[in-house]
Amino acid sequence: EAGVAQSPRYKIIEKRQSVAFWCNPISGHATLYWYQQILGQGPKLLIQFQNNGVVDDSQLPKDRFSAERLKGVDSTLKIQPAKLEDSAVYLCASSLRGVGDTQYFGPGTRLTVL
Amino acid sequence: RKEVEQDPGPFNVPEGATVAFNCTYSNSASQSFFWYRQDCRKEPKLLMSVYSSGNEDGRFTAQLNRASQYISLLIRDSKLSDSATYLCVVPDRGSTLGRLYFGRGTQLTVWP
Repeated sequence: EAGVAQSPRYKIIEKRQSVAFWCNPISGHATLYWYQQILGQGPKLLIQFQNNGVVDDSQLPKDRFSAERLKGVDSTLKIQPAKLEDSAVYLCASSLRGVGDTQYFGPGTRLTVL
Repeated sequence: RKEVEQDPGPFNVPEGATVAFNCTYSNSASQSFFWYRQDCRKEPKLLMSVYSSGNEDGRFTAQLNRASQYISLLIRDSKLSDSATYLCVVPDRGSTLGRLYFGRGTQLTVWP
């Protein structure tokens, strides 16, 4: 079974630039999550989709971050404009139904903002 | 108070040692709990789920104390390959639509 795919794996940008991350969850998984993991901390949920609807985006900085999951499959997370404090690993995860199920994580995108 | 608190360590133990990590959580409504393992520069992977008082899987034992809102992970006969960061994970409610809170992780290094 193919795992969660993410791209790019690494990205270096300057502050105030824009960046987008892509995620393809495990086939058939209804729930998709985007997490931000800053060095030395645990993952922090940014947004959670159930199929193509947003379940929880309370911790998403909506002035600069946006995400969508068209057709309930792939998802993109965008940052515009980026700030220095956005430097982190952005992890995408999926689960069959909801948080009671195992979450399978992708390899992450390591973002560095200069 | 944070939703999930863990001792970040690091814990440095010799091969064959027994080591235990603790985790406390603030939401008494949480029903199921998880331990995830994260290797250096890798993604987290599920290690164990804890639904009732505890769970055992080989050398790993997870225990839950709902009264004290406390979860532990015990690793017996430590192997070099156990070196990783162990993340305590707690949902904010019992339903499937809740959010997971991750602790900052406890770093374990097993030395030969």
